[in-house]
Amino acid sequence: EVQLVESGGDLVQPGGSLRLSCAASGFTFSSYWMTWVRQASGKGLEWVASIKRDGSEKYYVASVKGRFTISRDNAKNSLYLQMNSLRAEDTAVYYCARDRVEMATIPYTVLDYWGQGTLVTVSS
Amino acid sequence: DIQMTQSPSSLSASVGDRVTITCQASQDIRNYLNWYQQRPGKAPKLLIHDASNLETGVPSRFSGHKSGTDFIFTISSLQPEDTATYYCQQYDNLPPTFGQGTKLEIK
Repeated sequence: EVQLVESGGDLVQPGGSLRLSCAASGFTFSSYWMTWVRQASGKGLEWVASIKRDGSEKYYVASVKGRFTISRDNAKNSLYLQMNSLRAEDTAVYYCARDRVEMATIPYTVLDYWGQGTLVTVSS
Repeated sequence: DIQMTQSPSSLSASVGDRVTITCQASQDIRNYLNWYQQRPGKAPKLLIHDASNLETGVPSRFSGHKSGTDFIFTISSLQPEDTATYYCQQYDNLPPTFGQGTKLEIK
């Protein structure tokens, strides 16, 4: 059974940093692109970042470029999101999700499995 | 970025009704469109990919197709458990973008 479990969400002050983790199981983690999607309370879904199977390619939404870093450790079946210079508008539930297409060379972002989400609150 | 516009933003229907949601892209996205269901307090669930392909295990009352430049999502016979917000998402271009969502309630 495919499982994705996020952790690391917390209350942080503006300008602070946070590292989110996503533990994957039930599939060959190194064969799939992985993605972070966020959702502010009562709002819609926003793609944040995607990373290639081997970590060699990374893509970000413009609003987080230069502040957030997506990474992965295939030996640990884990996905990460390092979040720096946090702003109030980064407050959201952050989901990790798997791209449906195995061994893809591009990020299709057809997200077939999602974690339960972890809440990041940026506030003083 | 490609803008995705869903309509309606909310609707209320009765059990057994046929329900339709429309999604328009600001430019051609070929058939690179997904539909997701998000029940209250839960993560999104992929229902349809490539505009019309039903994800494995998803009930056949859900369907999707392209009509001209519009993408249509249909529930053929609404069930109580279909109460949720539905999102379309394009993946033709980065960044992938979502519609604003359609909140579906049961009368």
